Parts: sequence; C-alpha cells; structure tokens
Amino acid sequence: NAGVTQTPKFRVLKTGQSMTLLCAQDMNHEYMYWYRQDPGMGLRLIHYSVGEGTTAKGEVPDGYNVSRLKKQNFLLGLESAAPSQTSVYFCASSYEGGPGIQYFGAGTRLSVL
Amino acid sequence: AQSVTQPDIHITVSEGASLELRCNYSYGATPYLFWYVQSPGQGLQLLLKYFSGDTLVQGIKGFEAEFKRSQSSFNLRKPSVHWSDAAEYFCAVAFDKLIFGTGTRLQVFP
Repeated sequence: NAGVTQTPKFRVLKTGQSMTLLCAQDMNHEYMYWYRQDPGMGLRLIHYSVGEGTTAKGEVPDGYNVSRLKKQNFLLGLESAAPSQTSVYFCASSYEGGPGIQYFGAGTRLSVL
Repeated sequence: AQSVTQPDIHITVSEGASLELRCNYSYGATPYLFWYVQSPGQGLQLLLKYFSGDTLVQGIKGFEAEFKRSQSSFNLRKPSVHWSDAAEYFCAVAFDKLIFGTGTRLQVFP
C-alpha cells in the first residue's frame, strides 16, 4: 500500500532557482494538503485542495504555487527559491476536510543556499 | 484566535516509566482532537482521535488520551514507555482546518 508518496526526498537549490515537489496518493482522497515543518513551529499549512482542479491558500502561501490537475496528484512549486524556504515539506491527503483524518507522506527536505 | 499549545518542547523518560504529554487548545467550542507521532525522518502517523462520546480514547501502540472540556486539554498518556516510542508527538485540532501544536520531542533512556 503506497498511501501518500512524495518526490523527491531531498533537494538542494540555489537562491532564485525553481522546482516542483510532487505528491501522489492512491486512496482516492478528495482533499490534499501541503505543509512545511520548521523547528519549534510545528506544521503550517501552505496550500490545500478540496478536489481536482481546485486550490486554496493556507496559513503561509507566499512564494509557493500549487496545482491539482489530477485527483491523485498535488504539485507544489517554488518559482524563485529563497533561503527562508529551507524546510521539510509534507504532503497529506484526507477523505474529508475539517475533522477528516489526514495521511502523510514521508516528507521532502529542501535546502536553499 | 484558534490555537494549540504543547507546553513541553522536550521530555526525557526512562524506559518503563509512565508518560504524559500535555496539549491545550483555545476555541469557542469543542473541536475534533488528534495526536500524531513522527518518527525520525518519517511523516506523521495518527495515534488516536477524539470526535465525541467517551472522553478517554484508546489509540495505537498502547497510547491513550483524555479529553477534559473544563481544562480545554487533550493529554496523551502511556503507562510504560518503550525505547521505540522515542519520536516527536504533535497534538492537533480540527476546526475547518487542522491546526498543529509545536510538538514535544520524547527521548527514552534505557
């Protein structure tokens, strides 16, 4: 059972470079989320999607864009990476929003130099 | 504003000792409550959840949590900790979105 798969697992970028993080889920979930995890700050929601073709801003959306062209995939893009975006990024999915149980991927560790 | 507080950043216990991790929330009504665990280098895994009903909730790996409305708390407990329980634990509350606490890192000494 794959669940939620994130690629890549690690990445190092230079300031100003762009990249896309891919999240794929095989549970037919409607809801998908992107979080960032920073020391002492827990997980903060970047963007989320309530279904194919929809996206919405979370708590810390600036500097990121997302797309949900297929139900099973949720992409997180950094157009011009900054050192402040050095973090661990987690994708999650759930069958329902609000109280729905979220299932997490293993994370992507990103360093921006 | 809605918030979740985990007052203990780091806790160290001996293997076999009991454990209690604290979680308090701030909200006008009773939210949905969760505890997640994150092992090193891994994503988050759900330990247990409270939606309604019995205020003592049993989870996986021998964990339990008790919801106390009067204290706006949802503390996680385990009677006897194993070395494999060393991880970071996150309390979370769901209103319209899931809000996480800042986490408590558990270290277990043999």
